[in-house]
Amino acid sequence: SQTIHQWPATLVQPVGSPLSLECTVEGTSNPNLYWYRQAAGRGLQLLFYSIGIDQISSEVPQNLSASRPQDRQFILSSKKLLLSDSGFYLCAWISAGAGNTIYFGEGSWLTVV
Amino acid sequence: GENVEQHPSTLSVQEGDSAVIKCTYSDSASNYFPWYKQELGKRPQLIIDIRSNVGEKKDQRIAVTLNKTAKHFSLHITETQPEDSAVYFCAAASYTGGFKTIFGAGTRLFVKA
Repeated sequence: SQTIHQWPATLVQPVGSPLSLECTVEGTSNPNLYWYRQAAGRGLQLLFYSIGIDQISSEVPQNLSASRPQDRQFILSSKKLLLSDSGFYLCAWISAGAGNTIYFGEGSWLTVV
Repeated sequence: GENVEQHPSTLSVQEGDSAVIKCTYSDSASNYFPWYKQELGKRPQLIIDIRSNVGEKKDQRIAVTLNKTAKHFSLHITETQPEDSAVYFCAAASYTGGFKTIFGAGTRLFVKA
């Protein structure tokens, strides 16, 4: 069966520090992968999506970047975090064999201090 | 760009009453409309979905309706229970070189016992 793993689950980072969140999917190949951000008490904002290795689309201008070095690995990064980067980050995927349904990872709570 | 509007942002009902959440979307290419339930601190989970070739779908106490002409879709929960209390998100998905899912801002549902 397909599973998605995301880490770390929680992190507290100072302003100006770098960020790396990692996501991997198991049990499928060539998935569409996504990064969403949810600010406290807010909705789900699509940040990046990827249809294949090294194919990344950015949805909003920001100081974040995403990379997909392998088929089932998706990484969210920042060189210098801002206070406004705090939030709940969710990796997600769609399997071609599962219609258009998007499934989320467990999420990563980021607090920038 | 694509947009999904969701109303109301907060909904409070008495146990046993019905709850209705409404969404509108802007991208006429959208052809898949999932609904997610998110409990506090957890990832969103799919509860029901509807595709553009269907006008209505029901699963026990939950039903969704879709009006493609008006670009409206709604979630109906009947006989609400306290465990239905959560944040509900509607979403609209389309294929533009990859499946892209845009979420509404969410509705916080409170079911009072």
